[in-house]
Parts: sequence; structure tokens; C-alpha cells
Amino acid sequence: AQTVTQSQPEMSVQEAETVTLSCTYDTSESDYYLFWYKQPPSRQMILVIRQEAYKQQNATENRFSVNFQKAAKSFSLKISDSQLGDAAMYFCAYRSKGNYQLIWGAGTKLIIKP
Amino acid sequence: KAGVTQTPRYLIKTRGQQVTLSCSPISGHRSVSWYQQTPGQGLQFLFEYFSETQRNKGNFPGRFSGRQFSNSRSEMNVSTLELGDSALYLCASSLLTDEKLFFGSGTQLSVL
Repeated sequence: AQTVTQSQPEMSVQEAETVTLSCTYDTSESDYYLFWYKQPPSRQMILVIRQEAYKQQNATENRFSVNFQKAAKSFSLKISDSQLGDAAMYFCAYRSKGNYQLIWGAGTKLIIKP
Repeated sequence: KAGVTQTPRYLIKTRGQQVTLSCSPISGHRSVSWYQQTPGQGLQFLFEYFSETQRNKGNFPGRFSGRQFSNSRSEMNVSTLELGDSALYLCASSLLTDEKLFFGSGTQLSVL
């Protein structure tokens, strides 16, 4: 069975600085998707970035980028130029290709210091 | 374009009762999935529907059930509520199976 691990329950960063959130996963599959979702106090889960396992190029969305290391089964999220609005819970998630469920990590609470 | 709408936002029930939660997906989205979020267990997959058919179900007891209507709206039902069913229930929709999921703001269920 697949598992997702986020080892950092909480992280803090100074506004405008860069922070990296860690995620590791375990799977025997070769084709899958990985996601980072953000959940602000409003509770709505918002997709931050998505990575397809067969694509070696790391995904990037504006200030958000990932470091995808398939062999190491590592999928970290880098947030550059942190903003107050980035404060939220961040969840790493895994999805098998052709499967219909997301497997989630426990989440990392990101605090932005002004 | 309207997002995923979940109703109600908050719900308080007592043990033994049953509850129905509703989810209206983004227009044109045919896949709807449900997740339970609790402080102890985190986020867990409940089930997923596509064109009125349940395609996958998570590891939850039979008290948890769902359905999807021809307009893609989905309902989730929990019978004989237990204290441990207190959770945030999130619904997500997508255009196709492998497309990204769009989530609603959830229904916060409290069982007393």
C-alpha cells in the first residue's frame, strides 16, 4: 500500500524568504501523480502544484516549485518570496494513475512571520 | 464559473441519528469524490463517483454511503452516527479521472 509522510508538523519563515516543505512517499508503482495542496483557515483545499511521475522536469507554478526525486521517493515544495497569504496547512498527496483516490500526508502548518 | 458547493457548512447531530451531506460539482465535472478529515486520522478517502457509478470506496463501514445523480450532484449519507464520525467532510470534483481536483469548503459535522 502507498504511504505519504510529512515529517515537519510545523514550519515558520520570515516574510519574503524561502522555505522548503518535505514529503516522502512509498510505492511500488512507476506511474503516478504527486500533489501539494494548501488548506487555509477557510478549510477549502487548494491545489498548489502537481507533478506527473513520468515527467523528469520539476513542476513550477510562479513562486512555488518542487524538487521531485523519483528514485529517492521524495517530493519537496519550495516557496520563494513567502507572503502572509501563504500561511496555511500544506498537504502532500499521492494518486495512482487510473486510481480514484488521493493518499494524504499528515500536513505541515506553515507560519509566515511579518 | 461557480466552484464546488457543499451544503450545509455546519451540522450538529446526536449519536444514533443519520445525516445527509450534499455536494454540487463544478458545471461539466462528472467525477465527484468524498474525503473525511479529522485531527486524529487526517484525510481519508471515502468514495468516488463518475456518471452515477461508484468506482472506488475507501475503508469505511457500511454506515457510510453515497450516490450521484444524473446532474452529477452527489450526496453522502451516514447512518447511526457515532462520536467518531465528527469530522470535516470534503467533496471534490474533476472533469476526468486524472485531472486535478477542485474542492469545496466542506461540511463540518459534530456528533454529540
